[in-house]
Amino acid sequence: DIQMTQSPSSLSASVGDRVTITCQASQDISNYLNWYQQKPGKAPKLLIYDASNLETGVPSRFSGSGSGTDFTFTISSLQPEDIATYYCQQYDNLWWTFGQGTKVEIK
Amino acid sequence: EVQLVESGGGLVQPGGSLRLSCAASGFTFSSYWMSWVRQAPGKGLEWVANIKQDGSEKYYVDSVKGRFTISRDNAKNSLYLQMNSLRAEDTAVYYCARVVGGGSLRYWGQGTLVTVSS
Repeated sequence: DIQMTQSPSSLSASVGDRVTITCQASQDISNYLNWYQQKPGKAPKLLIYDASNLETGVPSRFSGSGSGTDFTFTISSLQPEDIATYYCQQYDNLWWTFGQGTKVEIK
Repeated sequence: EVQLVESGGGLVQPGGSLRLSCAASGFTFSSYWMSWVRQAPGKGLEWVANIKQDGSEKYYVDSVKGRFTISRDNAKNSLYLQMNSLRAEDTAVYYCARVVGGGSLRYWGQGTLVTVSS
C-alpha cells in the first residue's frame, strides 16, 4: 500500500499569511495526487486535482505542485474562510490513501 | 445538479450487519466509477472501496476486505455498501462519492453515520 505522510498536522497563521502543507508518498505516484478541504460537519471539497490543477470555482490563492513523491499545497494569502482541515489523496492505483490531514487555524 | 444522498446508517451491535445506500441523480450514473469513503469521529478520511461503471471491478481497503461488499444498480441509480461482521472501529460517517478522471472525488454526499456499539 502507498502511504501518504502529510505535515504539519496543524498550523496557526495570520490572515494574509502564506500557508504551505506538504505530502510525501512512500513511492513514486507521478502526479496522481489531489487536495481536499473539509470544514466541520461538511463533506470534503476537491480543490486541486492531478497535483497542480485548480478545480473550477476554487479561488486562485490555492495552488498545488510536485510530482513523484513530494507534493506541496499552498494558500498564498490565508483568509478567514479558509479555516478547515486539508487532506492529500493519492490515486496511483485503485487502492487509494489519504494523508492524515492538516488543521489550519487563524492566529 | 449532481446529488448524492446516503441512507441506511444507524446503531448496530458488534458482529452485526448494515447496508448503506447512495441515491444518485443529476448525472449518468452508469458512466462513472463510484467510491465509499469514511471518517471516524474526530479522525481523518479513509478510502473504503471503489466500483467500476459496470460493477465488474471492485477494490477495498485491507481493513474491510472480506467483510464489506460494494455494489451498484445502474437501473436504480444507486450505490450500496453491505457491511457484515461490524466492529467498533467501523464507527464512522460514510460518504459516497463520484469519481472523475483517474481518481478525483469531485462530488460527495452528506454522509451517513454508522455506530457500532453494544
